[in-house]
Amino acid sequence: AQSVAQPEDQVNVAEGNPLTVKCTYSVSGNPYLFWYVQYPNRGLQFLLKYITGDNLVKGSYGFEAEFNKSQTSFHLKKPSALVSDSALYFCAVRALGGGGYQKVTFGTGTKLQVIP
Amino acid sequence: NAGVTQTPKFQVLKTGQSMTLQCAQDMNHEYMSWYRQDPGMGLRLIHYSVGAGITDQGEVPNGYNVSRSTTEDFPLRLLSAAPSQTSVYFCASSPSRDRGPHEQYFGPGTRLTVT
Repeated sequence: AQSVAQPEDQVNVAEGNPLTVKCTYSVSGNPYLFWYVQYPNRGLQFLLKYITGDNLVKGSYGFEAEFNKSQTSFHLKKPSALVSDSALYFCAVRALGGGGYQKVTFGTGTKLQVIP
Repeated sequence: NAGVTQTPKFQVLKTGQSMTLQCAQDMNHEYMSWYRQDPGMGLRLIHYSVGAGITDQGEVPNGYNVSRSTTEDFPLRLLSAAPSQTSVYFCASSPSRDRGPHEQYFGPGTRLTVT
């Protein structure tokens, strides 16, 4: 069975400082990994994904994520946080489920608070 | 195009009532899914569909039914509502049912309260 862990319920960072939101995963075979962001009272929005190749993936709004196969991690990063980055962030893994179809598993989410 | 739409936005049910949450997408996506979001639990997959006429269970399917008669629509039916089904429900779609790593597009959600 596949799983995703986001070990921090909340991350606080000062505006202008770099931020990291952690994610580790467990899956059989090659993982497809995603980050989504959710603003209050909204649906999730796609930020970036890892498929294969370069371990550093760049996405929307200046976010990037680093895939580390040996540590089974896919941490979300941004060099300089903005107050508008404050939101709930979800890591997800997509892999084959029963019958050969895709199943997606989400982490429990990390609330990012950027302090002015 | 409108993307993924969900109706209603809010709903209050009494225990034992039934209802259908509607989901539609206009992007011709084959893959559609329903999630529930609860505090501290993240998103949990209820049911998903890889095309018209094909559905499968996710991790929390009990108490919910789905069908997929068209590519566009994927309604979620609550057969007999229970307070444990109080949650925010999200519908999502993505382009293909194959092994491609496609991201999902989410609807705005339905906030359901069962009293």
